[in-house]
Amino acid sequence: DVKVTQSSRYLVKRTGEKVFLECVQDMDHENMFWYRQDPGLGLRLIYFSYDVKMKEKGDIPEGYSVSREKKERFSLILESASTNQTSMYLCASNSNPTGELFFGEGSRLTVL
Amino acid sequence: GEDVEQSLFLSVREGDSSVINCTYTDSSSTYLYWYKQEPGAGLQLLTYIFSNMDMKQDQRLTVLLNKKDKHLSLRIADTQTGDSAIYFCAESKEYGGSQGNLIFGKGTKLSVKP
Repeated sequence: DVKVTQSSRYLVKRTGEKVFLECVQDMDHENMFWYRQDPGLGLRLIYFSYDVKMKEKGDIPEGYSVSREKKERFSLILESASTNQTSMYLCASNSNPTGELFFGEGSRLTVL
Repeated sequence: GEDVEQSLFLSVREGDSSVINCTYTDSSSTYLYWYKQEPGAGLQLLTYIFSNMDMKQDQRLTVLLNKKDKHLSLRIADTQTGDSAIYFCAESKEYGGSQGNLIFGKGTKLSVKP
């Protein structure tokens, strides 16, 4: 059974804290993505990676960074969390050429 | 710009058919997708259609693609209460040299009344 696993389902952090969201996939996919999902705004792409150590900015990269040291793992980092980063974060992966995305269960982050 | 548009809400009675519509802008998209998100969960692929097809049927699901109008629809026959979820339309997009990125609509929340 193919899987994308996100390390935390729920997190509560304080403003200014550093936050790590981890994502692991077991399908040997080249591409990995981080989205955030907010009511009325749908899914917005933060960053993606198409190879180890490679990263590309998505539509809303400000306030975030990413790390891809191994093919199966893609981390999203909030260097200094702010309240407007309270959201549901979804990790996904796929492999060319079909583009079918496999999603994790999501990490709901609340920043107080 | 690149936009995938879909209505935000749809309400149907159990046993009726549901039709969720979507318009997209990029005529070069290779694949178009329908994803389903149940409460508290991630997105799961329901079905997809290759851009050179105009219809795909999979059990209770029928996808229609009108490439000229850039219109995609998802029909769910005999809708059940378990079909209540948010349905996302998405188009494939070349992004930074990779064909792997998808552009999503905002999602249509389907409510099924018993």
